[in-house]
Amino acid sequence: DQQVKQNSPSLSVQEGRISILNCDYTNSMFDYFLWYKKYPAEGPTFLISISSIKDKNEDGRFTVFLNKSAKHLSLHIVPSQPGDSAVYFCAASLPGGTSYGKLTFGQGTILTVHP
Amino acid sequence: KAGVTQTPRYLIKTRGQQVTLSCSPISGHRSVSWYQQTPGQGLQFLFEYFSETQRNKGNFPGRFSGRQFSNSRSEMNVSTLELGDSALYLCASTEPGRAVPLHFGNGTRLTVT
Repeated sequence: DQQVKQNSPSLSVQEGRISILNCDYTNSMFDYFLWYKKYPAEGPTFLISISSIKDKNEDGRFTVFLNKSAKHLSLHIVPSQPGDSAVYFCAASLPGGTSYGKLTFGQGTILTVHP
Repeated sequence: KAGVTQTPRYLIKTRGQQVTLSCSPISGHRSVSWYQQTPGQGLQFLFEYFSETQRNKGNFPGRFSGRQFSNSRSEMNVSTLELGDSALYLCASTEPGRAVPLHFGNGTRLTVT
C-alpha cells in the first residue's frame, strides 16, 4: 500500500524555466510534508517543508503547494538550474508520537535541467 | 557542524552472515532513524532511537535490529543476511523539538552475494 506516490518517474526542463514536481498521498492523517533532493551516492538533502495548516510555503527558488482536499502537493522550482538535476522525493509524516523519526517517501522523480 | 556520519560506506557480505552498520548523528541531536533504500521498495523506515530507547519501528523482520549508545551514536545489525537485504542503508538525525529528520548521512551500500 503506497501511501505517497510520485507518478512521474522523470521530468526534463530547460534551464531558466519552471520545474513542477508532483506528489499525491492517500492517508488524510498526514500532517507534515517535506521535499528532499538526492544525488547519486549521497543521502537525501532537505529542501522545503509544509504543515497541513498551510497551503503554500516559499524558500528562495522553491515553493511547495499543498491541496488537502485533493491530497496533492507540488514543488515548484523557478528558475530551474542545471545544478538542480537530481532525484526529488516527497515525504509525509503523521502527527504526534506515532511519527517519531518516520517519514513515508514517494518513489522519487528524476529531474534533468538542460543548459 | 559535522553532518551525519555513517561507516563504512561500502560493504560486501555473503548470505547467512551478519553485518553491523554505524551512525554518528549531528552533535546535539539525540534522535537517530534508519532507512533502507532499494530500487523496488524505495526508501523505507526501519526504526528510530532516542535516549537509547527504540520509540518507533517499521515493518521489517526481527533480523533487523538496532541500538543507541549514551553518546547518541547508533548501530544497526542485520543477521542471517539474504540477497534481498542488498540496499543503501541511510541514517538520519533529528534536531531537538522536531519529530522527523531533516538531515541524512550518505549511507552504507550493502551488497549481499
